[in-house]
Amino acid sequence: EAQVTQNPRYLITVTGKKLTVTCSQNMNHEYMSWYRQDPGLGLRQIYYSMNVEVTDKGDVPEGYKVSRKEKRNFPLILESPSPNQTSLYFCASKGANTEAFFGQGTRLTVV
Amino acid sequence: GIQVEQSPPDLILQEGANSTLRCNFSDSVNNLQWFHQNPWGQLINLFYIPSGTKQNGRLSATTVATERYSLLYISSSQTTDSGVYFCAVDDYKLSFGAGTTVTVRA
Repeated sequence: EAQVTQNPRYLITVTGKKLTVTCSQNMNHEYMSWYRQDPGLGLRQIYYSMNVEVTDKGDVPEGYKVSRKEKRNFPLILESPSPNQTSLYFCASKGANTEAFFGQGTRLTVV
Repeated sequence: GIQVEQSPPDLILQEGANSTLRCNFSDSVNNLQWFHQNPWGQLINLFYIPSGTKQNGRLSATTVATERYSLLYISSSQTTDSGVYFCAVDDYKLSFGAGTTVTVRA
């Protein structure tokens, strides 16, 4: 079954404590991306990757890091989380001229 | 980047009613998708529709790429259709509209 898997689904953490949200896809897609969703602001892109070792900033990259060491995985790293990074996060993947698939979402709360 | 506008922003329907959601985009795109975000927050793929018309049960979608718009039709709406509907266009990245919040009342 084609899927994008994010973990964890829910996370409550404290300000400044480094965390990683994992994302894995089983469709051999080259393109992967991270979004955050906030009330009234819709889905905003954080980072995207066109292929292994190729990453680029989206619309709201500040405070986030990513890496793409292998095609299937695209982790999102918050080195020093702050309360304004409390949000619903989605990972997505797609191939060339194919539909995008999204993970189940990660609800992050930073206190 | 490409601008994506969805209308209306909110829609309240009585169960059984039909409705049309619209997505306008500012430039040529490779592809367009419609998603439904359910009340639990999950994004469900509805249609991948760069052009033409597709149907899936009570839902159908039409994209007129030359005129830069797409329409999503919901027929005989049910309470389970409630949620937010997003369109997203694909140039070199996915760009989302702000969504249409649909509430279907029993």
